[in-house]
Amino acid sequence: EVQLVQSGAEVKKPGESLKISCKGSGYSFSNSWIGWVRQMPGEGLEWMGIIYPGDSDTRYSPSFQGQVTISADKSINTAYLRWSSLKASDTATYYCARLSSWFGAYYFDYWGQGTLVSVSS
Amino acid sequence: DIQMTQSPSSLSASVGDRVTISCRASSTVDTYLNWYQQKPGRAPKLLIYATSTLQSGVPPRFSGTGSGSDFTLTISCLQSEDFATYYCQQSYTTPGTFGQGTRLEIK
Repeated sequence: EVQLVQSGAEVKKPGESLKISCKGSGYSFSNSWIGWVRQMPGEGLEWMGIIYPGDSDTRYSPSFQGQVTISADKSINTAYLRWSSLKASDTATYYCARLSSWFGAYYFDYWGQGTLVSVSS
Repeated sequence: DIQMTQSPSSLSASVGDRVTISCRASSTVDTYLNWYQQKPGRAPKLLIYATSTLQSGVPPRFSGTGSGSDFTLTISCLQSEDFATYYCQQSYTTPGTFGQGTRLEIK
């Protein structure tokens, strides 16, 4: 069974750093892209970026480039999303999701449970 | 980035109704269009990919059509468990932008 299990909720202050995780199981983690999606409170879904754990090839949305860092450790089947200096506007739920493909079509077929990040002074 | 616009933003319907949600892309996405369902406090769930292919386990009352820049999600006979927010997403280019969502509420 494919599963993505994310790290727990975080409460941080502006300016602090943070790294959240997403551990995959039940499939070949190295050979599937993993993506991160932001959902701000009461808002819609935003595509942040994707990483291929096999070679760490990473693609960012221009909206998030330079704001976050996506990484992966294929030895432990885990992807990460990191901030070096949080802002209040980073308050959101962050989802990881597996990106699958079918004849050139890509889609997020399995999702983590979400990690709520709260940033407040 | 390709902009995705859904209409309506919200919709009230009754159990048994047929509902249609539209999604328009700012430029062609070919048939690389996905639909997700999200219930409050839950992760999104994939319903349809590549415009019209039902994800495994999704009931056949859900269907998708379209190509180019105009797409439609249809629920043929609403069930109580279908009341949720629906998002379209293009995967033609990165970033794989989502629509703003359509909230489907009980009338």
